[in-house]
Amino acid sequence: SQKIEQNSEALNIQEGKTATLTCNYTNYSPAYLQWYRQDPGRGPVFLLLIRENEKEKRKERLKVTFDTTLKQSLFHITASQPADSATYLCALVKERDTGRRALTFGSGTRLQVQP
Amino acid sequence: SQTIHQWPATLVQPVGSPLSLECTVEGTSNPNLYWYRQAAGRGLQLLFYSVGIGQISSEVPQNLSASRPQDRQFILSSKKLLLSDSGFYLCAWEPGPREQYFGPGTRLTVT
Repeated sequence: SQKIEQNSEALNIQEGKTATLTCNYTNYSPAYLQWYRQDPGRGPVFLLLIRENEKEKRKERLKVTFDTTLKQSLFHITASQPADSATYLCALVKERDTGRRALTFGSGTRLQVQP
Repeated sequence: SQTIHQWPATLVQPVGSPLSLECTVEGTSNPNLYWYRQAAGRGLQLLFYSVGIGQISSEVPQNLSASRPQDRQFILSSKKLLLSDSGFYLCAWEPGPREQYFGPGTRLTVT
């Protein structure tokens, strides 16, 4: 069956360090992968999209990699700040070739940046 | 610019009562629309999506239903709520095969 796995344990890091979050998937061949940020009691907010033919994507302090061989995406926040504390979700298109673009989300990893 | 609205923001309903949650999008036309549910501490579960008026696809069979009576309106309903229907309900819209934009959500507690 199709699965998206994110580390359910919270990631605690010191301010200024680089946070690295992992998203692994099985039985998918996604055309693209997305990362979202969710704060408590709020809806997710889109951060980055990376396509299957892109190895890496950057946006300000954020960097996403996409390894379709390993079936893994890594999400990096450099020079982390306490304001980066949130839950980060990865999402894949469930069915690649049928035109259905419904996303399937991982359960998210909570990041806590300590001042 | 585009805006997505959901109401109510919070709702407490007894078991067996009906439900109607509304989502509207402004500033765009013919968006793909989605309903998700998020249980406490869990990921998002896709419930329904719609690519146009009257076109609804159900992802999870349950006692919920959805309707899209107008281009930018998406409604989630139930005739009889169950305790397991409690959760955070999120509506999202998608301009194309790209990212999704989420509404503020409705916190539903079934007692």
